[in-house]
Amino acid sequence: NAGVTQTPKFQVLKTGQSMTLQCAQDMNHNSMYWYRQDPGMGLRLIYYSASEGTTDKGEVPNGYNVSRLNKREFSLRLESAAPSQTSVYFCASSYRANTEAFFGQGTRLTVV
Amino acid sequence: GESVGLHLPTLSVQEGDNSIINCAYSNSASDYFIWYKQESGKGPQFIIDIRSNMDKRQGQRVTVLLNKTVKHLSLQIAATQPGDSAVYFCAEESVRDNAGNMLTFGGGTRLMVKP
Repeated sequence: NAGVTQTPKFQVLKTGQSMTLQCAQDMNHNSMYWYRQDPGMGLRLIYYSASEGTTDKGEVPNGYNVSRLNKREFSLRLESAAPSQTSVYFCASSYRANTEAFFGQGTRLTVV
Repeated sequence: GESVGLHLPTLSVQEGDNSIINCAYSNSASDYFIWYKQESGKGPQFIIDIRSNMDKRQGQRVTVLLNKTVKHLSLQIAATQPGDSAVYFCAEESVRDNAGNMLTFGGGTRLMVKP
């Protein structure tokens, strides 16, 4: 049982480039989340999807877009990467409200 | 805006002692709280959760206490072991109008266990 799978694990981008971070879960979870974690900091919510077909902004959505492709997949897109987006990105999912969220192993993104 | 925060960024304890990690939250409407452990280079892992209709919940060597009056959450680890060294985060779940439940995290506390 893979749980939450993120790809890629590492990525280096030049300023202005675009890319999509992929996330898939095989636990039949309804809610999915994207967080960023800067060095020595907590996790900040970028976007979330409470159910298939819905997405909503979190605490730090600027510069990002998301797509809930289906119940399993939730992707995060950077249209024009900036150095301030250098961070570790975590995807998570949960079955429903008031249940624990499970996390992927993270994507380490560096924008130069 | 609403936020979840922590009092202590770093906690150093002797192996075998008990550890207490604290967290303050500001959203009185939050009804679900979770503690996560994050080891270096890994994603957060669930430790224990508590709903707002409870004030205490126990797991294996861990206890979470919730004080809704002062909006305070704590994680107690009994007989702390070297393997407990990690960063610990509290998280709260809040409901946004027409937008489902949102899970937000505090800043984290680094627990260091001395042999």
